[in-house]
Amino acid sequence: QKEVEQDPGPLSVPEGAIVSLNCTYSNSAFQYFMWYRQYSRKGPELLMYTYSSGNKEDGRFTAQVDKSSKYISLFIRDSQPSDSATYLCAMSAYWARGNEKLTFGTGTRLTIIP
Amino acid sequence: DVKVTQSSRYLVKRTGEKVFLECVQDMDHENMFWYRQDPGLGLRLIYFSYDVKMKEKGDIPEGYSVSREKKERFSLILESASTNQTSMYLCASSPRLRAKNIQYFGAGTRLSVL
Repeated sequence: QKEVEQDPGPLSVPEGAIVSLNCTYSNSAFQYFMWYRQYSRKGPELLMYTYSSGNKEDGRFTAQVDKSSKYISLFIRDSQPSDSATYLCAMSAYWARGNEKLTFGTGTRLTIIP
Repeated sequence: DVKVTQSSRYLVKRTGEKVFLECVQDMDHENMFWYRQDPGLGLRLIYFSYDVKMKEKGDIPEGYSVSREKKERFSLILESASTNQTSMYLCASSPRLRAKNIQYFGAGTRLSVL
C-alpha cells in the first residue's frame, strides 16, 4: 500500500462549480500537508500549506486536514478554466536531518469546462 | 520569489550517452532534490542533497548519480542513458528549517532517450 493515495482522475467539472480533491495517507507521523498545482509541461508550484489538523483558506481555495481520519482535502470555489491543472498533495513528518523528503500523491488531473 | 532554474526544457539523447542535467537555485537553500515524473507513477525521488558535497539516495537511484560542488547548483548525471530513462525530470530546493519542508520546483526537463 502506498503511503499516500490520490485518485488520478481525470475530473471534469463545469465552470463555477465547487471542486473537491482528496488524499488519504497511512503514516500517522505526517504533520505538514501541502497542495501543489502543476500546469501542463510545467513544474509544480506550491498552492496551499497547512500544519496539523484544521482548515486554511486562501481566496477561492480551502485546504482541510483531518488527522484522525488521515484524510486531506482541497476545495476550489467558483472554479475557473485557469484552474485546469494537475493537483498534487504532499506531506512530511516533523523535520529532522535525513527527513527532508516530501511524500507525494500521484496527482489528480482537473479540467474546468467553460 | 524563489527561482529554481533547470538548464534545458527539452533534451534528446541516444542510448549509451552520458547525460548531464543542471539545476541552479537563487535562494541560498541548503536542500536540493532530483525527481522524475511519469504518468501514473507520480513524482519519484532520485537523489537529494542537504549540503555541499553531500548526497543521499532517494527511492530510485539506480542508473543515476549526482554532484553538488556549490550550494546553488545540483547536477543529475545519467552515466549511460537508456530508453527507460525517458521521462520528465524535476529539480527542487528547500530551506533547512525545522518546519514547513516546502519544496520549490523548476520548470522541468523533458528527456527523450532514443
